[in-house]
Amino acid sequence: EAGVTQSPTHLIKTRGQQATLRCSPISGHTSVYWYQQALGLGLQFLLWYDEGEERNRGNFPPRFSGRQFPNYSSELNVNALELEDSALYLCASSGPGAGNREQYFGPGTRLTVT
Amino acid sequence: RKEVEQDPGPFNVPEGATVAFNCTYSNSASQSFFWYRQDCRKEPKLLMSVYSSGNEDGRFTAQLNRASQYISLLIRDSKLSDSATYLCVVNGGGSTLGRLYFGRGTQLTVWP
Repeated sequence: EAGVTQSPTHLIKTRGQQATLRCSPISGHTSVYWYQQALGLGLQFLLWYDEGEERNRGNFPPRFSGRQFPNYSSELNVNALELEDSALYLCASSGPGAGNREQYFGPGTRLTVT
Repeated sequence: RKEVEQDPGPFNVPEGATVAFNCTYSNSASQSFFWYRQDCRKEPKLLMSVYSSGNEDGRFTAQLNRASQYISLLIRDSKLSDSATYLCVVNGGGSTLGRLYFGRGTQLTVWP
Protein backbone atom coordinates (compact mmCIF):
# COMPACT_ATOMS: atom_id res chain seq x y z
CA GLU A 1 0.00 0.00 0.00
CA ALA A 2 1.43 3.38 -1.00
CA GLY A 3 2.09 5.81 1.81
CA VAL A 4 1.55 9.55 1.96
CA THR A 5 3.37 11.28 -0.85
CA GLN A 6 4.49 14.89 -1.03
CA SER A 7 5.92 17.10 -3.74
CA PRO A 8 8.27 18.69 -4.35
CA THR A 9 10.96 17.21 -2.13
CA HIS A 10 12.83 20.48 -1.99
CA LEU A 11 11.71 23.99 -2.80
CA ILE A 12 13.82 27.14 -2.87
CA LYS A 13 12.10 30.52 -2.97
CA THR A 14 13.04 34.10 -2.29
CA ARG A 15 11.45 36.34 0.30
CA GLY A 16 8.09 37.71 -0.78
CA GLN A 17 7.33 34.90 -3.23
CA GLN A 18 4.60 32.28 -2.90
CA ALA A 19 5.13 28.57 -2.35
CA THR A 20 2.75 25.72 -3.14
CA LEU A 21 3.24 22.32 -1.55
CA ARG A 22 1.27 19.21 -2.46
CA CYS A 23 0.21 16.08 -0.63
CA SER A 24 -1.54 12.85 -1.58
CA PRO A 25 -2.97 10.83 1.31
CA ILE A 26 -2.99 7.09 1.76
CA SER A 27 -5.76 5.51 -0.30
CA GLY A 28 -8.99 5.48 1.71
CA HIS A 29 -7.91 8.28 4.03
CA THR A 30 -10.11 11.37 4.01
CA SER A 31 -8.27 13.63 6.43
CA VAL A 32 -5.09 15.54 5.64
CA TYR A 33 -3.01 17.45 8.17
CA TRP A 34 -0.14 19.89 7.66
CA TYR A 35 2.72 20.48 10.12
CA GLN A 36 5.78 22.69 10.16
CA GLN A 37 9.08 21.54 11.62
CA ALA A 38 11.57 24.37 11.78
CA LEU A 39 15.21 23.56 12.49
CA GLY A 40 15.71 22.75 16.15
CA LEU A 41 11.99 23.01 16.92
CA GLY A 42 9.28 20.45 17.33
CA LEU A 43 6.44 19.83 14.93
CA GLN A 44 3.83 22.58 14.93
CA PHE A 45 0.28 21.94 13.71
CA LEU A 46 -0.79 24.09 10.76
CA LEU A 47 -4.08 22.85 9.27
CA TRP A 48 -6.51 19.94 9.20
CA TYR A 49 -8.76 19.20 6.21
CA ASP A 50 -11.44 16.57 6.11
CA GLU A 51 -13.93 15.91 3.31
CA GLY A 52 -12.85 19.11 1.60
CA GLU A 53 -13.42 21.36 4.61
CA GLU A 54 -10.97 23.08 6.92
CA ARG A 55 -11.64 21.56 10.36
CA ASN A 56 -8.98 23.17 12.50
CA ARG A 57 -6.18 25.67 12.18
CA GLY A 58 -3.02 26.22 14.20
CA ASN A 59 -1.54 29.50 15.37
CA PHE A 60 -0.15 30.63 12.04
CA PRO A 61 -0.86 33.85 10.12
CA PRO A 62 -3.46 33.89 7.32
CA ARG A 63 -0.77 33.83 4.65
CA PHE A 64 -0.63 30.10 5.38
CA SER A 65 -3.63 28.59 3.63
CA GLY A 66 -4.63 25.44 1.86
CA ARG A 67 -7.34 23.37 0.37
CA GLN A 68 -8.41 19.80 -0.11
CA PHE A 69 -9.57 18.47 -3.45
CA PRO A 70 -12.39 15.98 -4.16
CA ASN A 71 -9.81 13.17 -4.44
CA TYR A 72 -8.64 14.10 -0.89
CA SER A 73 -5.26 15.37 -2.02
CA SER A 74 -4.27 18.72 -0.58
CA GLU A 75 -2.26 21.86 -1.25
CA LEU A 76 -0.57 24.15 1.24
CA ASN A 77 0.06 27.68 0.04
CA VAL A 78 2.38 30.09 1.77
CA ASN A 79 2.16 33.68 0.54
CA ALA A 80 4.60 36.55 1.07
CA LEU A 81 7.35 34.19 2.16
CA GLU A 82 9.55 35.22 5.05
CA LEU A 83 12.98 33.86 5.97
CA GLU A 84 11.56 32.18 9.08
CA ASP A 85 9.23 30.10 6.91
CA SER A 86 12.23 27.95 6.03
CA ALA A 87 11.34 24.55 7.46
CA LEU A 88 10.34 21.00 6.73
CA TYR A 89 6.64 20.84 5.93
CA LEU A 90 5.06 17.52 6.72
CA CYS A 91 1.73 16.23 5.55
CA ALA A 92 -0.11 13.44 7.35
CA SER A 93 -3.30 11.56 6.62
CA SER A 94 -5.77 9.53 8.63
CA GLY A 95 -8.82 7.43 8.01
CA PRO A 96 -12.43 8.56 8.45
CA GLY A 97 -13.22 9.51 12.01
CA ALA A 98 -13.49 12.37 14.42
CA GLY A 99 -9.93 13.61 14.09
CA ASN A 100 -8.46 11.42 16.79
CA ARG A 101 -7.16 8.62 14.59
CA GLU A 102 -3.53 7.71 14.00
CA GLN A 103 -1.83 10.04 11.55
CA TYR A 104 0.65 8.76 8.99
CA PHE A 105 3.28 11.15 7.72
CA GLY A 106 4.76 11.73 4.31
CA PRO A 107 8.47 12.41 3.72
CA GLY A 108 8.00 16.16 3.74
CA THR A 109 8.89 19.15 1.58
CA ARG A 110 11.93 21.11 2.66
CA LEU A 111 11.29 24.78 1.95
CA THR A 112 14.21 27.18 1.92
CA VAL A 113 13.53 30.91 1.73
CA THR A 114 16.47 33.12 0.79
CA ARG B 1 3.15 25.28 30.05
CA LYS B 2 3.88 23.02 27.10
CA GLU B 3 1.15 20.65 25.93
CA VAL B 4 3.50 17.67 26.09
CA GLU B 5 6.54 17.50 28.33
CA GLN B 6 9.00 14.77 27.60
CA ASP B 7 12.19 13.57 29.24
CA PRO B 8 14.82 14.91 26.80
CA GLY B 9 17.49 12.27 27.43
CA PRO B 10 19.73 11.45 25.66
CA PHE B 11 19.75 7.80 26.58
CA ASN B 12 22.80 5.76 25.64
CA VAL B 13 22.33 2.05 26.36
CA PRO B 14 24.00 -1.21 25.34
CA GLU B 15 22.29 -3.76 23.18
CA GLY B 16 19.92 -5.90 25.20
CA ALA B 17 19.19 -3.22 27.77
CA THR B 18 15.73 -2.16 28.89
CA VAL B 19 14.96 1.54 28.62
CA ALA B 20 11.91 3.57 29.65
CA PHE B 21 10.67 6.92 28.41
CA ASN B 22 8.09 9.09 30.13
CA CYS B 23 6.01 12.09 29.29
CA THR B 24 3.17 14.16 30.70
CA TYR B 25 0.44 16.08 28.92
CA SER B 26 -1.57 19.10 30.02
CA ASN B 27 -4.91 18.83 28.21
CA SER B 28 -7.27 16.59 30.16
CA ALA B 29 -9.66 16.59 27.16
CA SER B 30 -7.12 14.70 25.03
CA GLN B 31 -8.51 11.42 23.77
CA SER B 32 -5.76 9.70 21.85
CA PHE B 33 -2.11 9.15 22.55
CA PHE B 34 0.79 7.83 20.53
CA TRP B 35 4.48 7.13 20.39
CA TYR B 36 6.27 7.96 17.15
CA ARG B 37 9.90 7.45 16.26
CA GLN B 38 11.85 9.82 14.07
CA ASP B 39 15.16 9.06 12.44
CA CYS B 40 17.51 11.92 11.60
CA ARG B 41 15.98 14.25 8.98
CA LYS B 42 13.15 11.81 8.29
CA GLU B 43 9.42 11.97 8.90
CA PRO B 44 7.92 10.65 12.16
CA LYS B 45 6.74 7.06 11.94
CA LEU B 46 3.96 5.73 14.13
CA LEU B 47 5.34 3.26 16.63
CA MET B 48 2.17 2.53 18.56
CA SER B 49 -1.03 3.97 19.91
CA VAL B 50 -1.39 4.07 23.69
CA TYR B 51 -4.48 2.84 25.51
CA SER B 52 -5.58 3.12 29.13
CA SER B 53 -5.39 -0.62 29.53
CA GLY B 54 -1.78 -0.60 28.38
CA ASN B 55 -0.65 -2.27 25.22
CA GLU B 56 2.28 -4.29 24.03
CA ASP B 57 3.80 -4.79 20.59
CA GLY B 58 6.70 -7.20 20.69
CA ARG B 59 9.49 -5.60 22.70
CA PHE B 60 7.55 -2.35 23.15
CA THR B 61 5.06 -1.68 25.95
CA ALA B 62 3.10 1.54 26.32
CA GLN B 63 1.10 2.70 29.33
CA LEU B 64 -1.32 5.55 29.87
CA ASN B 65 -2.43 6.97 33.22
CA ARG B 66 -5.26 9.41 32.58
CA ALA B 67 -5.57 10.45 36.20
CA SER B 68 -1.99 11.69 36.34
CA GLN B 69 -1.85 12.54 32.60
CA TYR B 70 1.23 10.43 32.19
CA ILE B 71 2.41 8.25 29.30
CA SER B 72 5.27 5.80 29.20
CA LEU B 73 7.12 3.60 26.73
CA LEU B 74 9.24 0.63 27.69
CA ILE B 75 11.66 -0.95 25.24
CA ARG B 76 13.03 -4.36 26.18
CA ASP B 77 16.04 -6.12 24.68
CA SER B 78 17.21 -2.99 22.83
CA LYS B 79 18.55 -3.42 19.30
CA LEU B 80 20.96 -1.21 17.39
CA SER B 81 18.07 -0.42 15.04
CA ASP B 82 16.12 1.13 17.93
CA SER B 83 18.47 4.13 17.85
CA ALA B 84 16.24 7.09 17.00
CA THR B 85 14.34 9.96 18.58
CA TYR B 86 11.13 8.88 20.31
CA LEU B 87 8.27 11.35 20.26
CA CYS B 88 5.43 11.38 22.76
CA VAL B 89 2.37 12.62 20.91
CA VAL B 90 -1.08 13.64 22.13
CA ASN B 91 -4.17 14.53 20.12
CA GLY B 92 -5.49 17.89 21.30
CA GLY B 93 -9.09 16.96 22.00
CA GLY B 94 -11.99 19.37 22.42
CA SER B 95 -11.54 22.53 20.34
CA THR B 96 -8.08 21.39 19.35
CA LEU B 97 -9.23 18.00 18.04
CA GLY B 98 -7.20 16.82 15.09
CA ARG B 99 -4.08 18.62 16.24
CA LEU B 100 -1.23 16.41 17.30
CA TYR B 101 0.97 17.91 19.97
CA PHE B 102 4.51 16.58 19.94
CA GLY B 103 6.99 16.39 22.75
CA ARG B 104 10.49 17.56 21.93
CA GLY B 105 11.59 13.95 21.71
CA THR B 106 13.96 11.69 23.57
CA GLN B 107 17.08 10.59 21.75
CA LEU B 108 18.06 6.96 22.15
CA THR B 109 21.40 5.51 21.09
CA VAL B 110 21.92 1.77 21.40
CA TRP B 111 25.55 0.74 21.25
CA PRO B 112 26.98 -2.71 20.49
